[in-house]
Amino acid sequence: EVQLVESGGGLVQPGGSLRLSCAASGFKFDDYGIHWVRQAPGKGLEWVSGITWNSRSGAYADSVKGRFTVSRDNAKRSLFLQMNSLRTEDTALYYCARTVPPLIFSATYYAVDAFDLWGQGTMVLVSS
Amino acid sequence: DIVMTQSPLSLPVTPGEPASISCRSSQSLLHSNAYNYLNWYLQKPGQSPQLLIYLGIIRASGAPDRFSGSGSGTEFTLKISRVEAEDVGVYYCMQALQTPYTFGQGTRLEIK
Repeated sequence: EVQLVESGGGLVQPGGSLRLSCAASGFKFDDYGIHWVRQAPGKGLEWVSGITWNSRSGAYADSVKGRFTVSRDNAKRSLFLQMNSLRTEDTALYYCARTVPPLIFSATYYAVDAFDLWGQGTMVLVSS
Repeated sequence: DIVMTQSPLSLPVTPGEPASISCRSSQSLLHSNAYNYLNWYLQKPGQSPQLLIYLGIIRASGAPDRFSGSGSGTEFTLKISRVEAEDVGVYYCMQALQTPYTFGQGTRLEIK
């Protein structure tokens, strides 16, 4: 089955750390960029971070830059999000999401960061 | 950062009737490859988001053909030709031209 499964969420105190994981199955993991998107309780969607298929490029939302680090292990078909210096405003359901394949024009690849496969999410609660 | 603004924020619709959601970006989303980097998602109650439209106009695999996307530059529209009960949920536009990627506030579609 083609799916993404997140894990690693939980309750953590402000200033603490957590490491989220996203396990992929049913597709060729190293062909795709993967991203993290979060949703605070009762709120909208917020893009958090993303990484290219080869880990050459990672990007972050301003709200997490310098605190969160995205990485992947293609051999283990897994994506990770190391979250440090957690704040109460980081409380959210964290989704991992796969991008659609790139566009190819005249032998040039253009990333298309549209997310066509999402996990069910893992909840992170930052509270004292 | 690019700011995404959706309207309306709430959309009551009678089944079988058409519906339309607008999304405006604070900067043009037109890429040099001539595509607009604008995506539409639907989050049904209690579910993860699902991709409906990407690059402004391309229907995602599995998205019903009653959904269509249009627009260019900074003005975009998602149209549903005939709303069905299963279309209930929150619709989001998202720009993917430049990081940080940003979503609109969401439009909640409900059935009258």
